[in-house]
Amino acid sequence: GQQLNQSPQSMFIQEGEDVSMNCTSSSIFNTWLWYKQEPGEGPVLLIALYKAGELTSNGRLTAQFGITRKDSFLNISASIPSDVGIYFCAGPGSGGSNYKLTFGKGTLLTVNP
Amino acid sequence: GAGVSQSPSNKVTEKGKDVELRCDPISGHTALYWYRQSLGQGLEFLIYFQGNSAPDKSGLPSDRFSAERTGGSVSTLTIQRTQQEDSAVYLCASSFHSGGAEQFFGPGTRLTVL
Repeated sequence: GQQLNQSPQSMFIQEGEDVSMNCTSSSIFNTWLWYKQEPGEGPVLLIALYKAGELTSNGRLTAQFGITRKDSFLNISASIPSDVGIYFCAGPGSGGSNYKLTFGKGTLLTVNP
Repeated sequence: GAGVSQSPSNKVTEKGKDVELRCDPISGHTALYWYRQSLGQGLEFLIYFQGNSAPDKSGLPSDRFSAERTGGSVSTLTIQRTQQEDSAVYLCASSFHSGGAEQFFGPGTRLTVL
């Protein structure tokens, strides 16, 4: 089945620093989704990407859909303490199973004030 | 509220007991999904409902797991004869229509089987 590899697994940074994380796949995706999950909460959708090469921003967050359609990255600029959480990439299944999201294992972000 | 709601937020049960987990999707969303998140693991697809179509149950890990969706809205996930390996966070999501994009998640139910 499809697998998503996220890196790094965890990051510990100082407030104000920029952050970059990425996700790679063994197969092509037509959509890339980035979610953030805080303790005790469900994942919250941050950015959705639908087109190869697409670069989309949401405030301090920027995500790109790789040209090969097998990767995506998420950047966070000028991090703040509330950016703490686990960031997941996700993509839909292929063909008739495009409602089944496959998730990466997540990047745990810790921001030191 | 406007989001997906789930109940209970936490459930502790003894091995062998049955449990029911409830999900109220966002109003107007026709697609509903259940996922499981185990410690240290990503989210694992369990089951998918879309309108009046037959659900996709291919992700259910065993026949102890079942789910139903009544009236195209509320869904219940039932785990019979719970085992310790069933301990996990069970997340429900809904979307305006099927197609994988933009699924909105509830806060989850944390299940602990003793």
